[in-house]
Amino acid sequence: ILNVEQSPQSLHVQEGDSTNFTCSFPSSNFYALHWYRWETAKSPEALFVMTLNGDEKKKGRISATLNTKEGYSYLYIKGSQPEDSATYLCAFTDTGRRALTFGSGTRLQVQP
Amino acid sequence: DAGITQSPRHKVTETGTPVTLRCHQTENHRYMYWYRQDPGHGLRLIHYSYGVKDTDKGEVSDGYSVSRSKTEDFLLTLESATSSQTSVYFCAISESVTANEQFFGPGTRLTVL
Repeated sequence: ILNVEQSPQSLHVQEGDSTNFTCSFPSSNFYALHWYRWETAKSPEALFVMTLNGDEKKKGRISATLNTKEGYSYLYIKGSQPEDSATYLCAFTDTGRRALTFGSGTRLQVQP
Repeated sequence: DAGITQSPRHKVTETGTPVTLRCHQTENHRYMYWYRQDPGHGLRLIHYSYGVKDTDKGEVSDGYSVSRSKTEDFLLTLESATSSQTSVYFCAISESVTANEQFFGPGTRLTVL
């Protein structure tokens, strides 16, 4: 079983704060790293899929970076808004596998 | 929204009874997955399918079986439900496992009494 770890487990910030989370994964045989956003009572939705070392992806105020050599990815949210409140999941797969392994998520709450 | 439905959406059953959950897609995606969501664990993979009649186990497959006789349907069966299988079950689909995102169904809340 692959070990995918996310930190922190939860985060409370004020509206307008910028924040970031970490996803750690095995650095050997890397193939892809996914980020998902999961709002309460809804289904997870994909934010980014990254496959290359040094990848940087951006969607509005949210961006992500990838370091496959050291086995980590950062997710950044600039100027957090209450609607950003959700659990953010990362998921990893290595070569030869057909399935993702998910981390346990970072739960973000943005106070107005 | 990707065309994924799950049925039933809610079910209450008793320990020892068999239960089947259905996932149906209209996207013609090759890969289909069953996950369970439990507090502190995020999403854990139960079983997945990489084509009709092609399935494999995930990390928490004990007590579960699956079948995929058509591209659009992926069934999850709890052979003899236990209270530890009380959870929310999500189905997901993707075109490939690596470079393509997964699309998730609305979830099924199962309670085993």
